[in-house]
Amino acid sequence: DAGVTQSPTHLIKTRGQQVTLRCSPKSGHDTVSWYQQALGQGPQFIFQYYEEEERQRGNFPDRFSGHQFPNYSSELNVNALLLGDSALYLCASSPERYTDTQYFGPGTRLTVL
Amino acid sequence: EDQVTQSPEALRLQEGESSSLNCSYTVSGLRGLFWYRQDPGKGPEFLFTLYSAGEEKEKERLKATLTKKESFLHITAPKPEDSATYLCAVKWGGNEKLTFGTGTRLTIIP
Repeated sequence: DAGVTQSPTHLIKTRGQQVTLRCSPKSGHDTVSWYQQALGQGPQFIFQYYEEEERQRGNFPDRFSGHQFPNYSSELNVNALLLGDSALYLCASSPERYTDTQYFGPGTRLTVL
Repeated sequence: EDQVTQSPEALRLQEGESSSLNCSYTVSGLRGLFWYRQDPGKGPEFLFTLYSAGEEKEKERLKATLTKKESFLHITAPKPEDSATYLCAVKWGGNEKLTFGTGTRLTIIP
């Protein structure tokens, strides 16, 4: 049973560029959440997708956007990258019927130079 | 203000030396408290979910407990492979998000 998968593993971009990160949820899960984790901090909620719509959003600017596909996979897009966007980006999935517990993927390490 | 506070920030123990990690929260309408383990550069690994005061969960050398204001993660006779950062998170009110603390970095010395 495959867990949550994310791609790519690592990514290096320069300021002003745009990036797309991808996530496939655990089998049987239809809800996907994205988090940003800076070094030494706990993960911060970006947004959650269910039934291809954004269900809740955290305190992140509009430069952060997302999408969920009919197969429940998801993308996180970040435009006009800033140095402060360097972080570990985590995707978590949960089954809608039991949304309390979220299961995380390995993350994508984004470095902005 | 901080809604989830974990202490201590870092803890070094000798192998076999039992201890507890603390997670206090100030949110209202708690729907669940979650413990995760995170190894460096990896995603958080789910450990426990607690829903109500008095509830306890156990897994190998770990035991999580919950009161109305805080949770404890007790580690009994730890081994070096228990070294990791332990994260606490809460789900509360009408939120779908998890609100995390900053974690406790645990190091077990052989």
